[in-house]
Amino acid sequence: SAVISQKPSRDICQRGTSLTIQCQVDSQVTMMFWYRQQPGQSLTLIATANQGSEATYESGFVIDKFPISRPNLTFSTLTVSNMSPEDSSIYLCSVDLGAADTQYFGPGTRLTVL
Amino acid sequence: GQQLNQSPQSMFIQEGEDVSMNCTSSSIFNTWLWYKQDPGEGPVLLIALYKAGELTSNGRLTAQFGITRKDSFLNISASIPSDVGIYFCAGQALQNSGGSNYKLTFGKGTLLTVNP
Repeated sequence: SAVISQKPSRDICQRGTSLTIQCQVDSQVTMMFWYRQQPGQSLTLIATANQGSEATYESGFVIDKFPISRPNLTFSTLTVSNMSPEDSSIYLCSVDLGAADTQYFGPGTRLTVL
Repeated sequence: GQQLNQSPQSMFIQEGEDVSMNCTSSSIFNTWLWYKQDPGEGPVLLIALYKAGELTSNGRLTAQFGITRKDSFLNISASIPSDVGIYFCAGQALQNSGGSNYKLTFGKGTLLTVNP
């Protein structure tokens, strides 16, 4: 497995502001992913963060709202832009170690938008 | 898109009892994964299944990859209070168009409560 950390662990933000979430892995990984987990719900993939190229977004998610950076093989950021209360969720990053399509998750960032 | 039906939604059991939960899909998956999520934490991988018919154990946990590749179950034997949490199944299938080729589709989760 891998040790994955996220910052911040939680935050309370005002409507209209933006928050950048960081994800750090203790080893180099090719595939990093960002998920959203709305209150009481399951996990939904936002995008795949590709090192050296633009992120690949899933249907319903756009780069203007969720810009992603992937500057190297151990780090990625997800920004939640122009936030509204509907963005209140847990945001999780995950990594695929490349062994066999198995993803490991970070501890998550709990975001509350007022 | 692909959907996973996970059942039951919740379970209330006594310590020491065995537990079984399952996921079914109308689509074929190449990989089935089972995760446990504690409050305020990210999901933790419990068991990964890669071959149809595969039966894998991890301590008191046993999971199987259905022979049709459209279903999987997770059993927990002799439950203990720390088994409390939400259990998610997730399936992975190669995507042919749009989005990520490594997309995991998650079930809605099974909330397990264990009474000591």
